[in-house]
This record gives sequence, C-alpha cells and structure tokens, in this order.
Amino acid sequence: GQNIDQPTEMTATEGAIVQINCTYQTSGFNGLFWYQQHAGEAPTFLSYNVLDGLEEKGRFSSFLSRSKGYSYLLLKELQMKDSASYLCAVVDSNYQLIWGAGTKLIIKP
Amino acid sequence: TAGITQAPTSQILAAGRSMTLRCTQDMRHNAMYWYRQDLGLGLRLIHYSNTAGTTGKGEVPDGYSVSRANTDDFPLTLASAVPSQTSVYFCASSDSWEGSYNEQFFGPGTRLTVL
Repeated sequence: GQNIDQPTEMTATEGAIVQINCTYQTSGFNGLFWYQQHAGEAPTFLSYNVLDGLEEKGRFSSFLSRSKGYSYLLLKELQMKDSASYLCAVVDSNYQLIWGAGTKLIIKP
Repeated sequence: TAGITQAPTSQILAAGRSMTLRCTQDMRHNAMYWYRQDLGLGLRLIHYSNTAGTTGKGEVPDGYSVSRANTDDFPLTLASAVPSQTSVYFCASSDSWEGSYNEQFFGPGTRLTVL
C-alpha cells in the first residue's frame, strides 16, 4: 500500500526554527508537494521537490531525499501566522497525489 | 480572480436525502478533483476528471457520483446521504493531470453534516 507519515502535532516558539518531517512509501515517485492549511480554510501551495536537495523560498525551505523516501519542511523566524497544518503529498506513478494526514503546528509567543 | 468556488459553504442534510455540491473554476484548468477531509486523515480522493467529458474513481468513490459536462463545472452528487459522509469536501483543479508538477488549487470547501 501507499503511506505518507508525518507527526500529528508540533509546538514551537515565535522567532524560532522548526522542521516538519515526512516519510513516504508509494508506488512510484513523481514529485513531492508541501501545502499549508489554516484552520477552516483550503490548502495552499508552499513548495515542490522532484530532485534531491534543498529548495529555498523566503522563510520556508523544503528538502528531499528520494533514496530515503524522506522530505522535510523547514520554517525559519516563526511568526504567529505560521500556526497551521502542513500537508505533505507525493505524486505517485499514476500522477495521483497521495496525501499525508498533516502536521498541526502550534506557535507559542 | 475567483479561482475555484464551491457551494454551499455548509449544509445539514437528513440521512437518505440527495444533494449536489457545486464546484466552478475560472482558470480553464483541464483536471478537477473532489476530496473529503476528515479529522486525523489525509485528504482522500473521491472522484476526478482529467478533462471535460471524462471522469474517474478515486480512493473513496462509493456513494458519490460526478459529471464533467464542460471545463468549468464539476458537481458532486450524494444520491442517498449517510452519516459517514459527514465531512469537509474540497474541490480542486490543476492545469493538467499529467506530469510530475501538478499543483492543485483548492476551493474554500463545503462542510456537510448528515444526521
């Protein structure tokens, strides 16, 4: 079967750095997405990785290791508005998105 | 820009009744998707459409049907609602279903409660 694992919940302090991990076992791999979802709202795109390495976009970075079936999302200089769920999703061999259950990130002042 | 709209925003429905959730996009995207999101579970694909006139079954299609008569609209119908269909429903679209870079854009969601 196909499986995406993420921690259920994480807590971090405003101004700090947090790393959210995602491991996957899927039938094929054609890329990995990270989405942000605020409570009661729709998911919105954050980042995309298809090759190994780090992609940086402002305060957010995403890393991929295809050989390890592993990705992480790194959030720097945390702000209260970063409190949200972060969803990891893998594009499988049929180009379908397989979604993790999401990591709820709580930011404390 | 509207992007993707969904209606209604929320609905309480009696078990056994039918209902259609509406979804419209103005981005001229070829592919559209319906997901349900339940607490503790990831987004689960119900049905999808790679292009107007075609539809396919996702991970959890039972009890749901869809149609794609044109590019913009992708309604989801519950023929006879059951309490297990209580969920938040998201419609999404992407420019293409093929290729690895397939960013999906989501509508605001419909919160459905079946009693």
